[in-house]
Amino acid sequence: DAKTTQPPSMDCAEGRAANLPCNHSTISGNEYVYWYRQIHSQGPQYIIHGLKNNETNEMASLIITEDRKSSTLILPHATLRDTAVYYCIVRGGYNQGGKLIFGQGTELSVKP
Amino acid sequence: DTGVSQDPRHKITKRGQNVTFRCDPISEHNRLYWYRQTLGQGPEFLTYFQNEAQLEKSRLLSDRFSAERPKGSFSTLEIQRTEQGDSAMYLCASSLAGASTDTQYFGPGTRLTVL
Repeated sequence: DAKTTQPPSMDCAEGRAANLPCNHSTISGNEYVYWYRQIHSQGPQYIIHGLKNNETNEMASLIITEDRKSSTLILPHATLRDTAVYYCIVRGGYNQGGKLIFGQGTELSVKP
Repeated sequence: DTGVSQDPRHKITKRGQNVTFRCDPISEHNRLYWYRQTLGQGPEFLTYFQNEAQLEKSRLLSDRFSAERPKGSFSTLEIQRTEQGDSAMYLCASSLAGASTDTQYFGPGTRLTVL
């Protein structure tokens, strides 16, 4: 079973920041938080990952709480093309490799 | 484009036929994963390889399913005696073991429809 909980859907106005929450209260010390998104009928697209520090790349920012039990993915200026299902996944690092366990994700609708 | 590629992108077959899908990973990646995704659900893990070795298989991978990665490069997934319940998107991903976090990158998927 997935180790994360996400709201099933969210709306965001175009040009505004989209903040997608994720709860992972049973995360272990060596487990990373990964975010992927999936636009309809395409393969999942990697967005960002982190262990305990906040991370930022050209696509998004990842904010992880100090106790690591939850995180937020931030799309700073959402566009219509960001409409997708967003998956938050917890998995181990290299030595624990292997499968990603996807939950239901959050369906983000960006509206004009 | 040097991402993960999958072939074919779409396959329609009749129940009882065999089908084979191919996945070409990112060139330097030594791990290759197969997932299956049905409508409205997140992807589900099927199996993965490190180089030629198949290291893990899901209970979802019934006896009718077989995956190979003979030379540690491309991989094939074969489904024998297809059933209507096999209709799904089959996704392939690859990663580089030895990198700090072994991030998986996905291909576009093969959509299978069994009539």
